[in-house]
Amino acid sequence: QSVLTQPPSVSGAPGQRVTISCTGSSSNIGADHDVNWYQQLPGTAPKLLIYGNSNRPSGVPDRFSGSTSGTSASLAITGLQAEDEADYYCQSYDSSLTVLFGGGTKLTVL
Amino acid sequence: QVQLVESGGGVVQPGRSLRLSCAASGFTFSDYAMHWVRQAPGKGLEWVALISYDGRNKYYADSVKGRFTISSDNSRNTMYLQMNSLRAEDTAVYYCAKDLIAGADYWGQGTLVTVSS
Repeated sequence: QSVLTQPPSVSGAPGQRVTISCTGSSSNIGADHDVNWYQQLPGTAPKLLIYGNSNRPSGVPDRFSGSTSGTSASLAITGLQAEDEADYYCQSYDSSLTVLFGGGTKLTVL
Repeated sequence: QVQLVESGGGVVQPGRSLRLSCAASGFTFSDYAMHWVRQAPGKGLEWVALISYDGRNKYYADSVKGRFTISSDNSRNTMYLQMNSLRAEDTAVYYCAKDLIAGADYWGQGTLVTVSS
């Protein structure tokens, strides 16, 4: 059971918008600890999508965006493409510098 | 370019030990905290351990505390994970990652550890 809770799966048709939630607590996201998001394709290492709640690394399309509110964070993907089909993980930390991952969300492009 | 290369994985019996290495290049290794993250087959990501940029501070997941030890050698640009008293549930791909808390922009390719008799 992960401290950060994500839905196990989400799906959407090409071109649609989907969101993935990440629910934490006052000890992590709610304590203003930054949230990062990763995309993982099968058999590969995770790739950083969003850092510092809402910042995109160079090379990440602006179709991907992140936000936080209270004890939760969200990843939004607009203009869904087949290549977006992957597992997505949120990540934060608590005040004892324990790094936390969400359980992961499998995105299916219909 | 930045590279992180893990090595040292393999098949080991329960109760035995293994040491993983992560060789870094392409950035100033001594400027960044480094992490180990693992992923059991078909499961999600699990943070394992963190070592501060100067090697002075170390933090562990409860699941490995007392059994695993993280260390680094800034002169060799290499991080290590000494894994003792291995259990079946430690079976996973082990990744090293740079500066996870700020958003790990670089990860290694992973090394598979299988604990089995």
